[in-house]
Amino acid sequence: NAGVTQTPKFRVLKTGQSMTLLCAQDMNHEYMYWYRQDPGMGLRLIHYSVGEGTTAKGEVPDGYNVSRLKKQNFLLGLESAAPSQTSVYFCASRQGTNQPQHFGDGTRLSIL
Amino acid sequence: DQQVKQNSPSLSVQEGRISILNCDYTNSMFDYFLWYKKYPAEGPTFLISISSIKDKNEDGRFTVFLNKSAKHLSLHIVPSQPGDSAVYFCAASQPGNTPLVFGKGTRLSVIA
Repeated sequence: NAGVTQTPKFRVLKTGQSMTLLCAQDMNHEYMYWYRQDPGMGLRLIHYSVGEGTTAKGEVPDGYNVSRLKKQNFLLGLESAAPSQTSVYFCASRQGTNQPQHFGDGTRLSIL
Repeated sequence: DQQVKQNSPSLSVQEGRISILNCDYTNSMFDYFLWYKKYPAEGPTFLISISSIKDKNEDGRFTVFLNKSAKHLSLHIVPSQPGDSAVYFCAASQPGNTPLVFGKGTRLSVIA
């Protein structure tokens, strides 16, 4: 019963490098989300998707891109990593409105 | 502007006593409210939720109270146990497919 799986769990990048974080869910959920968590800031929404092929901007979308080519996968891309993007990234999914979101265990990303 | 506020960054409670975590919101369109618990190095875990048509929901040691006129909800944990020590996030959503809005969290420490 995997739920929401995030890959990788840890990564160190140099400024200017690019990378993609993968989120996979096996619950056939329609909605998927990417958050970042920073000390004292709580969970801030980066981008989200309300179905396969759709994406929308959240609270802090700058510097990130996303794609939802398959219903079960939601990819978060950093085009040119910056030290300000050092954070813990969480993916979540949910079936629909008035349903709880289920989170992955996070990806800890450090950018030097 | 923060729509969901958790004004206490931290709370310490003795084992066996009641823990009360508070959350205020400003958006009167919110109709679904949730509490999540988060341990270090793990993703947030759904704890309990309440719809705006109710004023109380109970699940074992956890009870959530909703006061719509005051735009306030609280989570009661009775009795508190050392394993309850974690960061607790309050979240809310509006009707439709809008994402959850999270508070910044309250760190609960239950002291044996």
